Amino acid sequence: AQSVTQLGSHVSVSEGALVLLRCNYSSSVPPYLFWYVQYPNQGLQLLLKYTSAATLVKGINGFEAEFKKSETSFHLTKPSAHMSDAAEYFCAVSINTGGFKTIFGAGTRLFVKA
Amino acid sequence: SQTIHQWPATLVQPVGSPLSLECTVEGTSNPNLYWYRQAAGRGLQLLFYSVGIGQISSEVPQNLSASRPQDRQFILSSKKLLLSDSGFYLCAWRKRLTNTGELFFGEGSRLTVL
Repeated sequence: AQSVTQLGSHVSVSEGALVLLRCNYSSSVPPYLFWYVQYPNQGLQLLLKYTSAATLVKGINGFEAEFKKSETSFHLTKPSAHMSDAAEYFCAVSINTGGFKTIFGAGTRLFVKA
Repeated sequence: SQTIHQWPATLVQPVGSPLSLECTVEGTSNPNLYWYRQAAGRGLQLLFYSVGIGQISSEVPQNLSASRPQDRQFILSSKKLLLSDSGFYLCAWRKRLTNTGELFFGEGSRLTVL
């Protein structure tokens, strides 16, 4: 069965520092992987997605993620954190069965210190 | 362009009362539709999905139900709310004829059961 594990429910970085949010997946078939961001009391917005093309995926707001099949990982990074990056981030895997379900990780809340 | 609307945005209901949350998608046809619930620290839990009018798949047994009376309308209901039904409910849609599985979310409905 497909699943997603996000390591660390909270991550705190200083403004200008590297952001690294970890995600590991489990999938019996080649996965479609996503990172979404959620600001308080809002829905989720897509940051980036991996769909079996390039393993390094660039998204919006300077974020990128690298698909590593050998490590079953899809970690999200940003070279320099900005205060506006403070939000909750969700890693997700899409399952190509039935209604093309998407399974989400528990989320990681990113805090950015001035 | 496509948009998705959810209402009401906020709802406070007593235990045992009924519930109706509505979601409408504009600008697309035959979408796959989804209801998720987000509880604090628990990520997003898929509740229901629908691939067409009148076609509902339930992911988690509970006292909630879903209906799709029209192609772009998805309704989440309950006859008698429980305290445990409190949470942030998110409706989402996906294009049917793509294989990327990207979800587009509404702004959410926050339900508090007292």
